[in-house]
Amino acid sequence: DTAVSQTPKYLVTQMGNDKSIKCEQNLGHDTMYWYKQDSKKFLKIMFSYNNKELIINETVPNRFSPKSPDKAHLNLHINSLELGDSAVYFCASSQDPLAGGRDTQYFGPGTRLTVL
Amino acid sequence: QKEVEQNSGPLSVPEGAIASLNCTYSDRGSQSFFWYRQYSGKSPELIMFIYSNGDKEDGRFTAQLNKASQYVSLLIRDSQPSDSATYLCAVSNTGGFKTIFGAGTRLFVKA
Repeated sequence: DTAVSQTPKYLVTQMGNDKSIKCEQNLGHDTMYWYKQDSKKFLKIMFSYNNKELIINETVPNRFSPKSPDKAHLNLHINSLELGDSAVYFCASSQDPLAGGRDTQYFGPGTRLTVL
Repeated sequence: QKEVEQNSGPLSVPEGAIASLNCTYSDRGSQSFFWYRQYSGKSPELIMFIYSNGDKEDGRFTAQLNKASQYVSLLIRDSQPSDSATYLCAVSNTGGFKTIFGAGTRLFVKA
């Protein structure tokens, strides 16, 4: 019954590798997001997608490429991983960001990425 | 200037007391305001949202919004040790696709 799920939960990899994180929501929401939470716990938006279309790209390096095959999925692929990419990545979804009362975001459990 | 500012804390209150958490934001066009709670190692979960000036109460929680002062607060009455967590203030601008989070305030409720 998990509303927003992410896989994997933990990811440990070497610098220079390429990795992907998958996200799925079963809430029927139109909008999905990727956030990065660094070691200081600061949660920063990376991307917003609405109905599979990219809406927000917060000056994220192009090594990060989100892909939304359908409204329920938003995956994040990261090329040439760097030490600074180590963080917890959260996926989230909302019903309708344009409608007050329906713009609450529901977060996945997070993926802790460690780059060695 | 940070877009959403919070006192990082930690804020320590005794059990049963009122905890007061504050947040200021810089974008006057902001429309939606949220408080999320995040336990260590867990994901953020919504506590309250507020859209209009004034107070909004939900159980032990009261959110207060003052758009003229660009200020949002969260009051937790009868604080419990289980309320110990980091509280994130979040603000969305018109359009809602970009939500800016504050750095969070760590709250400790002492039994």
